[in-house]
Amino acid sequence: GESVGLHLPTLSVQEGDNSIINCAYSNSASDYFIWYKQESGKGPQFIIDIRSNMDKRQGQRVTVLLNKTVKHLSLQIAATQPGDSAVYFCADGYSSASKIIFGSGTRLSIRP
Amino acid sequence: NAGVTQTPKFQVLKTGQSMTLQCAQDMNHEYMSWYRQDPGMGLRLIHYSVGAGITDQGEVPNGYNVSRSTTEDFPLRLLSAAPSQTSVYFCASSWGHEQYFGPGTRLTVT
Repeated sequence: GESVGLHLPTLSVQEGDNSIINCAYSNSASDYFIWYKQESGKGPQFIIDIRSNMDKRQGQRVTVLLNKTVKHLSLQIAATQPGDSAVYFCADGYSSASKIIFGSGTRLSIRP
Repeated sequence: NAGVTQTPKFQVLKTGQSMTLQCAQDMNHEYMSWYRQDPGMGLRLIHYSVGAGITDQGEVPNGYNVSRSTTEDFPLRLLSAAPSQTSVYFCASSWGHEQYFGPGTRLTVT
């Protein structure tokens, strides 16, 4: 069915270290995935996306990796900063651009 | 551009009351969606629209109605509010897959 899930509800990292947030999905037909960042009291904000014909996509300080064999994707944040503290969601956009299904989220906290 | 705007920001309803959550976007996006987010949870899709005059159900549509008479507006109606509908409601719009979210409406049903 249509579902995405996250391995851990919380992640704590040292400022300056790299963060890795993982996500599993179950629908083999999924062909598009998105990562969102949600700060407290705000709506989600698009970070980066990846299509199923790609294994890796890089943005500014972020990299998304997609492993279709095990239906797993990850978001890597380089040199984590205090401003990266937020809840991160992976989402499955396979159906259409408006029907995007969200996973449950991982809360990233930064240790000084 | 104002982006995606939602009103009201906060609302308290009594069980059985009805109300409409407003959502508007000024980016000429074809796609619009409504989500609800319960505490500590992800977003669940309520209804979505791929263009004016076209709407469809998402994951949790029961108790909600939508209409899309214009490209700009996508109101969400609660017909008879229930405590289970206490949540934060987000509206989003997009042209492609990159969705832009509004600031949310925090709804409490007592």
